[in-house]
Order: sequence, then structure tokens, then C-alpha cells
Amino acid sequence: DTAVSQTPKYLVTQMGNDKSIKCEQNLGHDTMYWYKQDSKKFLKIMFSYNNKELIINETVPNRFSPKSPDKAHLNLHINSLELGDSAVYFCASSPTGVNEKLFFGSGTQLSVL
Amino acid sequence: GENVEQHPSTLSVQEGDSAVIKCTYSDSASNYFPWYKQELGKRPQLIIDIRSNVGEKKDQRIAVTLNKTAKHFSLHITETQPEDSAVYFCAASKGGGGSNYKLTFGKGTLLTVNP
Repeated sequence: DTAVSQTPKYLVTQMGNDKSIKCEQNLGHDTMYWYKQDSKKFLKIMFSYNNKELIINETVPNRFSPKSPDKAHLNLHINSLELGDSAVYFCASSPTGVNEKLFFGSGTQLSVL
Repeated sequence: GENVEQHPSTLSVQEGDSAVIKCTYSDSASNYFPWYKQELGKRPQLIIDIRSNVGEKKDQRIAVTLNKTAKHFSLHITETQPEDSAVYFCAASKGGGGSNYKLTFGKGTLLTVNP
């Protein structure tokens, strides 16, 4: 199936731990994103990569480090997890990144205890 | 940066009625206005979008209108059905490279269609 897939779907962890979320798209898109959706459903962009190059870093704490090994993958590593990091994290992609439809992954529900 | 305000935050209608959700944006250079629907526990999905060179776009029961002068755009759903129940997000962005391309979302509207 062509899609944006992210793993894991659920992530429960203790404060202070380090965790990673992986994202892959097989749509041939050039641009990938990480969005955070908080408990009030607000969707906010965190990072955007175009052909492995970081183009948007939306004042996210440097505990969050995205990595794009190739244009089909964008992973998110989070160090020293805090309670406030609990949210749903969505990966997304778009064809070239300029005012186009976003294809979202199914989301990762992160719960920090 | 861009600021998108969305109203109402919740909307309850009877099946068959129409629903209207309104958004305003702050950056007059914004030229792309999509609407996303997110069902409970699911991913957001694009349902319709409009660019600044048109004033209205329609797709079956869904329509979007854009008023560039007033910097607002609206989603209209006619003949609502229970499966229309979801959170709807408006968004705005402007074209360009680098940080110019950033889709800013409104805070969402929870639409409930009562049978």
C-alpha cells in the first residue's frame, strides 16, 4: 500500500527516558514533516525537511532531534522526555512542499508518566 | 507569522441541516487555504482546498468560500450526515521556499451531527 507509515502507534515511557519515532513514506514525495497535536487537538508544525534538508525548525526544544537519512524517511528522537511532551505526533509528507495536500501518518500517541 | 482563528470551537447540528465553519487569517500574502477533517482517533485528511485566485470551490456537499479583502474563508457542509461528525481544521499558508512555507492550522471545530 502507498502511504505514510509511522511506528510505534503507542509509546508509554517514564520521564527522563529517550525515545524515537520512525516515519516512512513510499509516495515519492520530496517533503516530510513532524506535527504535534496536543490534548486540545491543536496541530502545530515542529519540523519540515525537503530532500533530506531541514527547512523549518519551529522553535522546538533541542531535546527533539529529527533525522532524515533519505527523502523517504524522517525520524524523530526525543531526549530526556518530560510530562509536557505527552501528545500525538503525526508525520506527514507532500509532493514538493509548496502549498500542497499533506498526507498524514496514523500518528504516535506518546504518554510520558 | 501567520495567525489563523477558527470559529466556532464546537458545532452541533441535526442531520440534514447545514453547517458553517469560519476562519480568519492575518497574513495578506497567504494564498493557500485547505480544510482537513479528523475523525476520532484517526489522522487528519484533506477534504477541500482553495487558492487565492478563486472565490469559491465546491465538491458535492462541501464548499469553501474565500474573501481575500476581509481575510476570511469558510467551510459549508450541506445535508449533513452522522459520518460528517469529526474535528475540522482550517489552515493557511503562502508559497515560497524555506520557512515561508508553513501551514498554520486553526484550533479546530468539533462538529457533531445528531441523527
